[in-house]
Amino acid sequence: GAVVSQHPSWVICKSGTSVKIECRSLDFQATTMFWYRQFPKQSLMLMATSNEGSKATYEQGVEKDKFLINHASLTLSTLTVTSAHPEDSSFYICSAGNTGSGANVLTFGAGSRLTVL
Amino acid sequence: AQRVTQPEKLLSVFKGAPVELKCNYSYSGSPELFWYVQYSRQRLQLLLRHISRESIKGFTADLNKGETSFHLKKPFAQEEDSAMYYCALRGSGNTPLVFGKGTRLSVIA
Repeated sequence: GAVVSQHPSWVICKSGTSVKIECRSLDFQATTMFWYRQFPKQSLMLMATSNEGSKATYEQGVEKDKFLINHASLTLSTLTVTSAHPEDSSFYICSAGNTGSGANVLTFGAGSRLTVL
Repeated sequence: AQRVTQPEKLLSVFKGAPVELKCNYSYSGSPELFWYVQYSRQRLQLLLRHISRESIKGFTADLNKGETSFHLKKPFAQEEDSAMYYCALRGSGNTPLVFGKGTRLSVIA
C-alpha cells in the first residue's frame, strides 16, 4: 500500500532557528501533498497544499513566509519553519494521495513533533 | 462551506456495549466521507470510507445524505478500540481532507 514517510519524527530547536521537515511518498508519486498541524488534544488543521513544481496554497491565517513549502519532486515536499518560536511548537503531519491508483484516499505520515525552546 | 462536526469530545463505554460515534457534515456537493483512527502513539490511519460500504474491525458507517450524517457504529466494543476517532470529508479532485475535532473513545473493562 501507499506509504508516506516523514523526517525527522522529533526535533528540538532554539528560538530563532529554522527547522526543515521532509515528507516523502515512498512507493508512489504525489503531485499534491497536504501539510497539517495538530496541537495537543486537538484535531488536524490544514496549513497548506503543496503542489509539485508550483507555489503552495496556504490556508487563511497561515503565514507563508513563516512556513516555507517546497515541492521539488513528485515524491518529496518539505516544510521549513523559519525563525521558530515557542508558539510554533506542535505536531506537523503531511499526507499524500496516490491518485495513480484511482483511489481517493490520503495516506498520512507519522508526523514530526517540533519543540521550540 | 465545508464542515465536519463531531459533537462528542469523549465517549466512554463498557466492554461489550454498543458504540456510536456521531458525525455530521455540511458540503455543497457530493463529498466522500471517511473515518480515521489514531491509536496511542501511532499515526493516523484510515478506518473506513463510505463508498466502500465495508466493515473494518467490526465498525460500520452509513452515509445518510438526508441527515448529512456519517455515524460510526460497532455492536460490541472491545478494549483495543480505545483511540481517537476522526470523521473527515473530502470533495472532488485532489483536495485535502477536512477533519472533525475528533472523539476519544474509551472502552472500560
